[in-house]
Amino acid sequence: QKEVEQDPGPLSVPEGAIVSLNCTYSNSAFQYFMWYRQYSRKGPELLMYTYSSGNKEDGRFTAQVDKSSKYISLFIRDSQPSDSATYLCAMSAQGGSEKLVFGKGTKLTVNP
Amino acid sequence: DAGVIQSPRHEVTEMGQEVTLRCKPISGHNSLFWYRQTMMRGLELLIYFNNNVPIDDSGMPEDRFSAKMPNASFSTLKIQPSEPRDSAVYFCASSLLGASNQPQHFGDGTRLSIL
Repeated sequence: QKEVEQDPGPLSVPEGAIVSLNCTYSNSAFQYFMWYRQYSRKGPELLMYTYSSGNKEDGRFTAQVDKSSKYISLFIRDSQPSDSATYLCAMSAQGGSEKLVFGKGTKLTVNP
Repeated sequence: DAGVIQSPRHEVTEMGQEVTLRCKPISGHNSLFWYRQTMMRGLELLIYFNNNVPIDDSGMPEDRFSAKMPNASFSTLKIQPSEPRDSAVYFCASSLLGASNQPQHFGDGTRLSIL
């Protein structure tokens, strides 16, 4: 079993839809959870950063962490064509500045 | 502020040749990471440095791969000799050591093709 599992998609939704992206993990030592967005031919950029369990909201984006189930989610409300990208979850035992383990990414297309 | 700068952006070379990838981290950052991204395996950490010292190189696939960080503003990843299976996008990232709430900032990568 890989440390981090993420459905690669692809996922295609109409503009305005609510998008749900998910990852599961096996290492209970993970404490820091991140979502990165990667546009084609660009490097990943940090979208959301959470510590331990709970929710975090930033504009149209909400990150949820359920450590008891080893499951994290990213919700995108009112999705826009500009949200079309690959979304990667990442996690670490010691923080964002330390060794990260990434999911393989989910490719999202938002159709106008 | 300038982000992480990688060069070259694209590299095409023949099998057996030496390849050198370069990275300039964000000024003031003291952790540097080299990743490789492929469709099959996703984004994998190869090696990372703290204060120019290699900390974990367990992800380096073979002895053909080596990385150096001679100073705080420059790092190289070298493949010698290169093989077709090394074809991938190689990313460099930097961050602030010890700041657990600070993310890693990525460059735009080097797209490497070994023929």
